[in-house]
Amino acid sequence: ETGVTQTPRHLVMGMTNKKSLKCEQHLGHNAMYWYKQSAKKPLELMFVYSLEERVENNSVPSRFSPECPNSSHLFLHLHTLQPEDSALYLCASSQAVLSTDTQYFGPGTRLTVL
Amino acid sequence: GENVEQHPSTLSVQEGDSAVIKCTYSDSASNYFPWYKQELGKGPQLIIDIRSNVGEKKDQRIAVTLNKTAKHFSLHITETQPEDSAVYFCAASRPSNYGGSQGNLIFGKGTKLSVKP
Repeated sequence: ETGVTQTPRHLVMGMTNKKSLKCEQHLGHNAMYWYKQSAKKPLELMFVYSLEERVENNSVPSRFSPECPNSSHLFLHLHTLQPEDSALYLCASSQAVLSTDTQYFGPGTRLTVL
Repeated sequence: GENVEQHPSTLSVQEGDSAVIKCTYSDSASNYFPWYKQELGKGPQLIIDIRSNVGEKKDQRIAVTLNKTAKHFSLHITETQPEDSAVYFCAASRPSNYGGSQGNLIFGKGTKLSVKP
């Protein structure tokens, strides 16, 4: 295992539901990331946190709301999602937000929006 | 911004043969090129990386080459085994804080490698 865990592994929700994805890293890292992985598309960076402070938001719709209460935990709060938001959501962590720092990925949450 | 193209999208080889996956990038400022392997039901895992001051790097059956002039880099897997079957992603990033950038990784679309026994 990589030291990055994600729950739940699978989630089905309706467009009016509110749900949250959770990520936890046991590596002592200071940076955490949310990525979206859709079929036949490159991984899309959504958010970057460094020492619990958001340092990047890649034009992600407001229906996705991240939260980083401490350097080990990262959440992605979901509300009023669209079917096109169905994808694999990956969390990653690295020692710091440096381009050459290895990013360690969790197994992802497979999200289906009905 | 950076754009990474990856080819082929699918690759099937016989066990024991070699596999080559190629990527091109657009930003000449990019200086870090990792390769990730993603097995079914798992997140991507780093398998090898190369920096722009090096032309080639090898780790057992895996090697990566970089041509900065042509802006392309390749992954070479020799003596392929069934457990090499997975989706492979290349990525590129520029130095952190270059022009205000955080040095984020830009990924290719991935190559699904199948190794037939």
